[in-house]
Amino acid sequence: NAGVTQTPKFRVLKTGQSMTLLCAQDMNHEYMYWYRQDPGMGLRLIHYSVGEGTTAKGEVPDGYNVSRLKKQNFLLGLESAAPSQTSVYFCASSDGAQETQYFGPGTRLLVL
Amino acid sequence: RKEVEQDPGPFNVPEGATVAFNCTYSNSASQSFFWYRQDCRKEPKLLMSVYSSGNEDGRFTAQLNRASQYISLLIRDSKLSDSATYLCVVRGGGFKTIFGAGTRLFVKA
Repeated sequence: NAGVTQTPKFRVLKTGQSMTLLCAQDMNHEYMYWYRQDPGMGLRLIHYSVGEGTTAKGEVPDGYNVSRLKKQNFLLGLESAAPSQTSVYFCASSDGAQETQYFGPGTRLLVL
Repeated sequence: RKEVEQDPGPFNVPEGATVAFNCTYSNSASQSFFWYRQDCRKEPKLLMSVYSSGNEDGRFTAQLNRASQYISLLIRDSKLSDSATYLCVVRGGGFKTIFGAGTRLFVKA
């Protein structure tokens, strides 16, 4: 099992560009999450999904969109990147709301 | 006040030392508690869940004090490989999961 994988690992964008981060899990988990991690702060939830075809906003959703067309994939989109979106993005999945969350290796995004 | 607060450290300890971290949380309705470990430039990984009765896993002991709203992690006989950032995680109802900013630990030979 690969667990949770994320692509790309690293990306540099210019302000205003768009991109999509892909998260895939092979554990048949219903729940998937996107977090961002910034220096001196804990991970903050951007969006999450409780199953295929569903998405919901987390703590910091502005500037991001998500889609869960397949159970194993959770996509995070930035339509018009801003320097404030420079961060490390982690995807996670879990079997249930109160179950252990398993994280992907992260995507480092730099917006110039 | 942050919902989950941790001493950022760093804690610098010699091998073999015992070190303890505390984490306080503000929401008395919080339901579940965890310690995660995060190595430099890596993803967080679950270290252990924290139960009201306290729990132990080898050299690691976690405790929960609901009355004072804090959880603790004790590491005995520290190893070089214990060097990492330790994240306190508090979960409320539904999907509200709050991560602390982490406590950095350096174990030196």
